[in-house]
Amino acid sequence: GDSVTQMEGPVTLSEEAFLTINCTYTATGYPSLFWYVQYPGEGLQLLLKATKADDKGSNKGFEATYRKETTSFHLEKGSVQVSDSAVYFCARAQGGSEKLVFGKGMKLTVNP
Amino acid sequence: DTEVTQTPKHLVMGMTNKKSLKCEQHMGHRAMYWYKQKAKKPPELMFVYSYEKLSINESVPSRFSPECPNSSLLNLHLHALQPEDSALYLCASSPRPFTDTQYFGPGTRLTVL
Repeated sequence: GDSVTQMEGPVTLSEEAFLTINCTYTATGYPSLFWYVQYPGEGLQLLLKATKADDKGSNKGFEATYRKETTSFHLEKGSVQVSDSAVYFCARAQGGSEKLVFGKGMKLTVNP
Repeated sequence: DTEVTQTPKHLVMGMTNKKSLKCEQHMGHRAMYWYKQKAKKPPELMFVYSYEKLSINESVPSRFSPECPNSSLLNLHLHALQPEDSALYLCASSPRPFTDTQYFGPGTRLTVL
């Protein structure tokens, strides 16, 4: 069935470090892909999305490119801040339904 | 405005209580969702309403009863819950059903004693 596999962490970085969070999905059709972020004690916020191959989603310095050939949607940021400390979820739309399939989430802590 | 609101923010209830969670959006979205999220886990889908009709029920126990009175409002009625139902309950909405972007509310933190 449809699935999403992402790095689980937890990961601790220093401020201004480079961030990559890997995410791969099962290739059933061409699903829309999403990154959601959950700050401590809050709900999920949409960080970015891409709806077709080679699309690049970007927001708040984060970027992810929809790679059909590697079925990946890795999240990157060139210089993380303490305020980026959160849990990051990769997700794909499940074809033909209203369901989102989530990865397990990765907790990021950024230290000053 | 991409805001989904949820009330209450926190709820503590006994196993014999009846309570309700409320979710509201004024973005004209026609699909609304209830999710349950346990600590350190991704959200799990419970229910989906499309055009105010229940379209997906993920085999949720009957002690959880959803209701969609109109296109802006979604309720989750709770009765005879168990301690293992303690979790963060998230509401989401999307402009249309089927593979559209979902926007989440801040959640209700539920504790069942």
